[in-house]
Amino acid sequence: EPEVTQTPSHQVTQMGQEVILRCVPISNHLYFYWYRQILGQKVEFLVSFYNNEISEKSEIFDDQFSVERPDGSNFTLKIRSTKLEDSAMYFCASSETGGVREQYFGPGTRLTVT
Amino acid sequence: RKEVEQDPGPFNVPEGATVAFNCTYSNSASQSFFWYRQDCRKEPKLLMSVYSSGNEDGRFTAQLNRASQYISLLIRDSKLSDSATYLCVCPHFQSGGSYIPTFGRGTSLIVHP
Repeated sequence: EPEVTQTPSHQVTQMGQEVILRCVPISNHLYFYWYRQILGQKVEFLVSFYNNEISEKSEIFDDQFSVERPDGSNFTLKIRSTKLEDSAMYFCASSETGGVREQYFGPGTRLTVT
Repeated sequence: RKEVEQDPGPFNVPEGATVAFNCTYSNSASQSFFWYRQDCRKEPKLLMSVYSSGNEDGRFTAQLNRASQYISLLIRDSKLSDSATYLCVCPHFQSGGSYIPTFGRGTSLIVHP
């Protein structure tokens, strides 16, 4: 069964450093998403992406965040200057079609900012 | 009013029991909803979609009550493996017609022998 993959599974970085989280969505999916989940809290939407453009972003997704689809398979989330409060689990998801449809999540990257 | 509200639980039930969770939402424009389950420190996994009045899949039944703006998830004949956190997801529509998938905090279920 096709699945979303994410690398690395765990990233430790120092405050102020840049990190890039990587995702490979399901191959025939066209819509991509990033979410974060701070430990013990709810899953929060960051951004949606379609046709090489951001479709929607939340208030969390400020100027320190960016997304990119550098090739036909990868979808990345970059955090330019990490803060302690960026420590969280970051999930990538994809869906086959747009609209309100099922999304399939990757296993997540645990980001720890020290 | 919070956008998506769930009773955090935990719901502690014996194997074989029937248990139901509710999820209330504030955006009346929402017409499609989802239930995900999340195991500890794992990703959300899609459990059921709710596009109209309801949906049934084996031991799981999801229902939508538009008038009262809530969806419910019923689990019959609970198994130990059903122990997880159940997340409700509602789309929160924006002015341009796009939407933000909005998660509830989840309801924790513990099924014991």
